[in-house]
Amino acid sequence: KAGVTQTPRYLIKTRGQQVTLSCSPISGHRSVSWYQQTPGQGLQFLFEYFSETQRNKGNFPGRFSGRQFSNSRSEMNVSTLELGDSALYLCASSLFVGDTQYFGPGTRLTVL
Amino acid sequence: AQSVSQHNHHVILSEAASLELGCNYSYGGTVNLFWYVQYPGQHLQLLLKYFSGDPLVKGIKGFEAEFIKSKFSFNLRKPSVQWSDTAEYFCAVWRGSQGNLIFGKGTKLSVKP
Repeated sequence: KAGVTQTPRYLIKTRGQQVTLSCSPISGHRSVSWYQQTPGQGLQFLFEYFSETQRNKGNFPGRFSGRQFSNSRSEMNVSTLELGDSALYLCASSLFVGDTQYFGPGTRLTVL
Repeated sequence: AQSVSQHNHHVILSEAASLELGCNYSYGGTVNLFWYVQYPGQHLQLLLKYFSGDPLVKGIKGFEAEFIKSKFSFNLRKPSVQWSDTAEYFCAVWRGSQGNLIFGKGTKLSVKP
């Protein structure tokens, strides 16, 4: 089975721009979660989707949003980028909520 | 605040030394517990997990962890580390009512050959 894939792998943007990141879960997995990883804060939960519904949201501003499609693929969007949004954004999928999460390689976002 | 604590930020060991990485969490009730590893340049991989049953769980590459409910702990152990175990290790807790996975800050392990 193919693992979790994320596109693009690297992105460079400037402040004020917006960005959309994509995640394709493992086939059959219906739950997708997003995390932000930085050296200072570690792994912080952004949001979780199950069957196209957002189940949970972390403590991030409204500039961070996401969605899940009927095929379980998910996107996250960050609007009005700030320098502090530079991070590795990780997507993880699981069969169901609470089950083992399998992580993708991440998208490295650099905001200049 | 609800949290997951990993006691050591950076651990340096020589090959063949024994390893124990601490993990404590502050949630009551039912939890699912995980240890993940991130090797240099690679993505997060599951080492082992505990959902229920035998509190001593074995994972890949000779790692094991023990869930001690009374101490809210899930410490990771390996009897003899290898240079290839150099990586960052993350403890994570899923609390049912909260519905999302909370990670500790991670412990960097450096193994000297």
